[in-house]
Amino acid sequence: GQQVMQIPQYQHVQEGEDFTTYCNSSTTLSNIQWYKQRPGGHPVFLIQLVKSGEVKKQKRLTFQFGEAKKNSSLHITATQTTDVGTYFCAGPRGTSYDKVIFGPGTSLSVIP
Amino acid sequence: EAGVTQFPSHSVIEKGQTVTLRCDPISGHDNLYWYRRVMGKEIKFLLHFVKESKQDESGMPNNRFLAERTGGTYSTLKVQPAELEDSGVYFCASSQRHQYEQYFGPGTRLTVT
Repeated sequence: GQQVMQIPQYQHVQEGEDFTTYCNSSTTLSNIQWYKQRPGGHPVFLIQLVKSGEVKKQKRLTFQFGEAKKNSSLHITATQTTDVGTYFCAGPRGTSYDKVIFGPGTSLSVIP
Repeated sequence: EAGVTQFPSHSVIEKGQTVTLRCDPISGHDNLYWYRRVMGKEIKFLLHFVKESKQDESGMPNNRFLAERTGGTYSTLKVQPAELEDSGVYFCASSQRHQYEQYFGPGTRLTVT
C-alpha cells in the first residue's frame, strides 16, 4: 500500500544549529503538505507544495518538493526553542482530493 | 472564525466502559476526519465524512468504534466497549471540499485503564 516515510524519527539539536527532516513517498504525489505539532498541541498546517522542484520559504523554514514529486524536505536554519515539536509531511491518499496520508513525523528537540 | 473544537479534552475510563467523543468542525467545512495518535507515533487515519456521509472508514480498527455525523454538522466517535489499546489522542480535523489543508481540533486524550 501507499507509504509516506520520514527521517530521522528524532533529532536533538543545540539552539542555533540547523535542522532538516526528509519525507519520502512510495508513490508520486500531486502535492505535499507539512504540519507542525507542538508538545501537547495539535497539528497545524504549515505549507503546501505543488510543483516539481518547488522551494518555498517561511522565515527560517525552507520547504522543498523533489523533482520526481516523491520526496520533500524541511530545513530550519538556526533553530530556536520555539521550533520544538513534531513535523509531519502529508500527501494525498491515492487519487483522493480530500484525504491525506501522514508520515510518521520527525520529533525535534532544541537544547537551549 | 471559530476553529475545530473537541470535547472532552481528557477522558479516563475503565476497560469495558463506553466513551463518546465529540467534534465540532469549522462551520461550512464539508469534510470531517477522525485520527488517532498513540504514544507519539504517527497520525493514524480513522475515517472521513463528507457532510453526513461516511466517505471512507477504512481506518476504523474494529466494530467497537462507531462514528456518526448528524445532519452534516458535528460528529461523535463512540468506543464501546473500550480496550486498553484504545488509549491515545483522538484528533478531529475539518476541511473544505477539494482542499487539502486540514484544520485540527485540540484533541481528546483518552486513557483506558
